[in-house]
Amino acid sequence: EAGVTQFPSHSVIEKGQTVTLRCDPISGHDNLYWYRRVMGKEIKFLLHFVKESKQDESGMPNNRFLAERTGGTYSTLKVQPAELEDSGVYFCASSQDPAWHQYFGPGTRLLVL
Amino acid sequence: GQNIDQPTEMTATEGAIVQINCTYQTSGFNGLFWYQQHAGEAPTFLSYNVLDGLEEKGRFSSFLSRSKGYSYLLLKELQMKDSASYLCAVPDSNYQLIWGAGTKLIIKP
Repeated sequence: EAGVTQFPSHSVIEKGQTVTLRCDPISGHDNLYWYRRVMGKEIKFLLHFVKESKQDESGMPNNRFLAERTGGTYSTLKVQPAELEDSGVYFCASSQDPAWHQYFGPGTRLLVL
Repeated sequence: GQNIDQPTEMTATEGAIVQINCTYQTSGFNGLFWYQQHAGEAPTFLSYNVLDGLEEKGRFSSFLSRSKGYSYLLLKELQMKDSASYLCAVPDSNYQLIWGAGTKLIIKP
């Protein structure tokens, strides 16, 4: 069984540019989560999809961040326009049930210059 | 609000035993997770405790005391590959994980 995959693994962009991160959850997992870890800080929850619906997006920093999960399969997280403070590692995770443990992807390392 | 505290860094010797503590303050309780994260890799699930007591899983065990808001991860017969960050996480009322900052465990020969 394939695990959670994320693309790209690394992204270096300039302030003001747009970046789109992709996450492919484990097949059959309705629950998909986005997290971010800024250097030196703890992992922070961004949002939670159940199938194609946003269950909880209380962790999204601001309206420069847009997450979608059309069709309830893969998800994208777009940052537009990117700011310096958006740099960090963006993790995606999925689970069969929200009460169960989550399987994490390898993360996308975003650096905004 | 919710708060999770764990030591920033610990050092132990190969073959020894180490205990990583985690204290938490939550409104309601939906269990506590421990994850392991090697540098540059994804967090991987280690354990989940929802009842008081010790859960043993091979060389790793996890303990929970709900009344004290306290958990620990016990690693026995340490191996060099156990060098990693160990993350304590508690789900909130919506089952969204609230994370501790992680404990970096350094294993020395």
